[in-house]
Amino acid sequence: KAGVTQTPRYLIKTRGQQVTLSCSPISGHRSVSWYQQTPGQGLQFLFEYFSETQRNKGNFPGRFSGRQFSNSRSEMNVSTLELGDSALYLCASRLGVSTYGYTFGSGTRLTVV
Amino acid sequence: GESVGLHLPTLSVQEGDNSIINCAYSNSASDYFIWYKQESGKGPQFIIDIRSNMDKRQGQRVTVLLNKTVKHLSLQIAATQPGDSAVYFCAEILNYGGSQGNLIFGKGTKLSVKP
Repeated sequence: KAGVTQTPRYLIKTRGQQVTLSCSPISGHRSVSWYQQTPGQGLQFLFEYFSETQRNKGNFPGRFSGRQFSNSRSEMNVSTLELGDSALYLCASRLGVSTYGYTFGSGTRLTVV
Repeated sequence: GESVGLHLPTLSVQEGDNSIINCAYSNSASDYFIWYKQESGKGPQFIIDIRSNMDKRQGQRVTVLLNKTVKHLSLQIAATQPGDSAVYFCAEILNYGGSQGNLIFGKGTKLSVKP
């Protein structure tokens, strides 16, 4: 079966712009989580969506937002980009919120210049 | 997990040797732990997991040990191969009364296998 698909794979944006990243979960998975990975901070939790509702949020500013559609696909948006937002953004899906099995996509590499 | 510094701990081993990667986790209430392997350009890939009511779990060439007293997790890789070269992360999950929380990652360890 297809894995978790993230698009685009690479993105270059200018400081102050906004960006939208997309994640298609494994078929049947209803929970989608987003993580930011940087060399300095490692892997940090952004938020999780289940049944189109945000159920948990990490410690990130309000410039980071997300949403989930009825087909479980998710998008995350970062507004007013800063240089420090340059990172690998990873999406992970799982069947539901009572299950442990997270599967990760390959990520979107965002570079802010 | 611990906060991550600028440099990953590294472990260099000879092909065929056993590798041991260690991790300290942060929350004594965590009830599930996972080891992930991340290769360059890819997302984290599941290796093995263990629940908090266990001390040891074995997979194919891998073993995870959990010491709840000192909040320590280790991953042992037997007969390490060049394909095992990657960054390894431990992660913990808290149980919120039946629903499982998000992954909390520890600092990664870069494993290099010399042929």
